[in-house]
Amino acid sequence: QSALTQPASVSGSPGQSITISCTGTSSDIGSYNLVSWYQEHPGKAPKFMIYEVTKRPSGVSNRFSGSKSGNTASLTISGLQAEDEADYYCCSYAGSSWVFGGGTKLTVL
Amino acid sequence: QVQLQESGPGLVKPSETLSLTCTVSGGSISSYYWSWIRKPPGKGLEWIGYIDYNESTNYNPSLKSRVTISVDTSKKQFSLKLNSVTAADTAVYYCARQGSLYFFDYWGQGTLVTVSS
Repeated sequence: QSALTQPASVSGSPGQSITISCTGTSSDIGSYNLVSWYQEHPGKAPKFMIYEVTKRPSGVSNRFSGSKSGNTASLTISGLQAEDEADYYCCSYAGSSWVFGGGTKLTVL
Repeated sequence: QVQLQESGPGLVKPSETLSLTCTVSGGSISSYYWSWIRKPPGKGLEWIGYIDYNESTNYNPSLKSRVTISVDTSKKQFSLKLNSVTAADTAVYYCARQGSLYFFDYWGQGTLVTVSS
């Protein structure tokens, strides 16, 4: 069982917005603004999308945004595109260790 | 562009030692933190541990008794050894760079290691 809880799947049509939730505890997400998100396409290396809850690395589209409330973090993708279809993982610092979510498969209809 | 590539046996027998190497190209290995992460079939990602530029290590408490991570800066490689493996250690193993201590900015593609006799 994963330390952080994500929905197994979400879907949306091109142009729509979707949000993926990531629920942890007061020992990880609730204690640190150190949530990151990763995108993984089959057979490819995971790609770093969001860090420190809301920040985007250079080169990541501004269609991707992150937020946090209490013990739950969220990744929102606006203006869905076919290329966004992938698995998404959240991660949180948990005080000298890191915990990940189980992953969410995003389907673009 | 920094690139990481995992290498090692794809099949390990129960009770033996799993050994993997990650080769870093396109950047320095003498800075940053270098991690191993795994994904068992049907489960989420699990952080295994890291080694830093001073060769200090930090391991997941659940695996600490069986894990060793080392680095060879001359070859731009870091390695994972996991002792006394069981079927529960079957997973895709990734190596990753921690650009700051708190996130993983470059990953390898992952390598599947199956524990079976």
